[in-house]
Amino acid sequence: DAGITQSPRHKVTETGTPVTLRCHQTENHRYMYWYRQDPGHGLRLIHYSYGVKDTDKGEVSDGYSVSRSKTEDFLLTLESATSSQTSVYFCAISGGDSAGTSYEQFFGPGTRLTVL
Amino acid sequence: GQNIDQPTEMTATEGAIVQINCTYQTSGFNGLFWYQQHAGEAPTFLSYNVLDGLEEKGRFSSFLSRSKGYSYLLLKELQMKDSASYLCAVRDRNTDKLIFGTGTRLQVFP
Repeated sequence: DAGITQSPRHKVTETGTPVTLRCHQTENHRYMYWYRQDPGHGLRLIHYSYGVKDTDKGEVSDGYSVSRSKTEDFLLTLESATSSQTSVYFCAISGGDSAGTSYEQFFGPGTRLTVL
Repeated sequence: GQNIDQPTEMTATEGAIVQINCTYQTSGFNGLFWYQQHAGEAPTFLSYNVLDGLEEKGRFSSFLSRSKGYSYLLLKELQMKDSASYLCAVRDRNTDKLIFGTGTRLQVFP
């Protein structure tokens, strides 16, 4: 709806391998977020970005890194995937008004990652 | 710290009204969101309350009481397509981030 895509949509990988998930937006929103969603935990923030090259940690950032070299792209990297990182990963964006202050978050379709 | 509570599951009948409650404790409150999430899909925005009172949007309404740390989502004239999870999220004034509850799974029966 808000011009957000995620790739890949599904991935199966092995423990110890690096994995990169991509979030791409066409809405020129200022803020971008990576969440993971697991049963019984709800959505938990991994990392977020408040501008190009400006990123910060969320509540479950261990084992993850991010990069944002362009407004439209926000990459999430699992440096060495573990089975505990099996999850559904959602990207979100916000700050679509001219001042970059609107708080409503729009979510991408999600990436289902399985680490064997 | 922050804590958000909402019931895990609810059931209701098509055509009925259902109220989904959310209580929260947070060190700095700056708004409450409700999202709808169908199974296997992304959350979609339903409502945002920052001031006390009722916000109505078609069949859906959301209420907030900041003094009680309480919100509810009211769904009227339930339809089968309303079967979904409903996520309550609080915006933390200190960090500007959203803290999500674990969601309420609503099943609507004919």
